Amino acid sequence: GENVEQHPSTLSVQEGDSAVIKCTYSDSASNYFPWYKQELGKRPQLIIDIRSNVGEKKDQRIAVTLNKTAKHFSLHITETQPEDSAVYFCAAGYSGGYNKLIFGAGTRLAVHP
Amino acid sequence: GAGVSQSPSNKVTEKGKDVELRCDPISGHTALYWYRQSLGQGLEFLIYFQGNSAPDKSGLPSDRFSAERTGGSVSTLTIQRTQQEDSAVYLCASSLARLANTGELFFGEGSRLTVL
Repeated sequence: GENVEQHPSTLSVQEGDSAVIKCTYSDSASNYFPWYKQELGKRPQLIIDIRSNVGEKKDQRIAVTLNKTAKHFSLHITETQPEDSAVYFCAAGYSGGYNKLIFGAGTRLAVHP
Repeated sequence: GAGVSQSPSNKVTEKGKDVELRCDPISGHTALYWYRQSLGQGLEFLIYFQGNSAPDKSGLPSDRFSAERTGGSVSTLTIQRTQQEDSAVYLCASSLARLANTGELFFGEGSRLTVL
């Protein structure tokens, strides 16, 4: 089955700096890679996702990159703000009728003013 | 309803008791998931329902755990003979999960289980 490794487990940055979170997956059949953000005491919510037919996707200050050969994908947050502080989860799965998602262990991001 | 609804929001039970956790997915969502989140930990996959297909139970940690989904809608996660290590937040999520869909999961608020 799919296994997703996520690093680092904690990340502390100064406001305005960039943050990068990396994940690797094991199942080469996976073709869907979302990222979820969980603020303290709240439910996880999707912030961005990428499919295997593209290598990069951007949405304002966040971007995801995917290297299918290496089975590696990353989340990049630029110009970080205190409200970016949260736990971020990557996930991998197969989208197309059967959409089981396996999540990484999460990265706790702290953005200091 | 507007979102995924879970009940109870909090449950405190004694070791050895059985508990039932309920999930009401978003109407029309064919896929339903249960995940477990222990304190400060990640989202551990438990079980996945997709339409009328047999559920994927590969994440259930022991035979004390079981889940049903009646009529393709409401799901109940049952934990028998609870142990202290079962203490966690149990999150339910639903998804459209159709071919052209993003596959976004919509999570409930979770049921926090504490086993004394």
